[in-house]
Amino acid sequence: GAVVSQHPSRVICKSGTSVKIECRSLDFQATTMFWYRQFPKQSLMLMATSNEGSKATYEQGVEKDKFLINHASLTLSTLTVTSAHPEDSSFYICSASLPGQAYQETQYFGPGTRLLVL
Amino acid sequence: AQKITQTQPGMFVQEKEAVTLDCTYDTSDQSYGLFWYKQPSSGEMIFLIYQGSYDEQNATEGRYSLNFQKARKSANLVISASQLGDSAMYFCAMREATSGTYKYIFGTGTRLKVLA
Repeated sequence: GAVVSQHPSRVICKSGTSVKIECRSLDFQATTMFWYRQFPKQSLMLMATSNEGSKATYEQGVEKDKFLINHASLTLSTLTVTSAHPEDSSFYICSASLPGQAYQETQYFGPGTRLLVL
Repeated sequence: AQKITQTQPGMFVQEKEAVTLDCTYDTSDQSYGLFWYKQPSSGEMIFLIYQGSYDEQNATEGRYSLNFQKARKSANLVISASQLGDSAMYFCAMREATSGTYKYIFGTGTRLKVLA
């Protein structure tokens, strides 16, 4: 149980185009999903917290107009990188919380999406 | 200020031996959770073990155990009987409540290399 999928796993796009990344919880309903960004050899940086049916909460320094997040259902959240530029190239990972007692919720991660902007 | 500190950027361990990966944390919350994740070269984040702040017993999951010392604010991961497949990055993380919501904060990671 607690499987999270992410699609696509790898994407290469031209500068100026938009890229959509999907995150799905396959065997559970996730009220909260998280989007992270990871640069090579670095830790995960939380970009935003996505709650189903409401606007995402973005971390300081993350442009909400650049990284559009939609949490349309309890099993799907999408991240759209708009007008992508080479500096947006990174590893994007989503996670979903498996509901439990408040402080015990464990998050499970998708396999990640490697984005390369040319 | 760094909330999760992993002071070992890299560690080596001989196959079949035990290894301890250090993690210290900083929080003023009473309720929080501590997690360890493994990230192999493929990039996926694999959940290993969880420790709740109110849990009195140290968490164990197979070959993984968490040495939780609340007063010292440390949550070290112990891997027993290391295997070659344990070579990966290991991240310590803390879940804490912030302004009515919660978030997970990750340490900088420790790269573990198991030697044959």
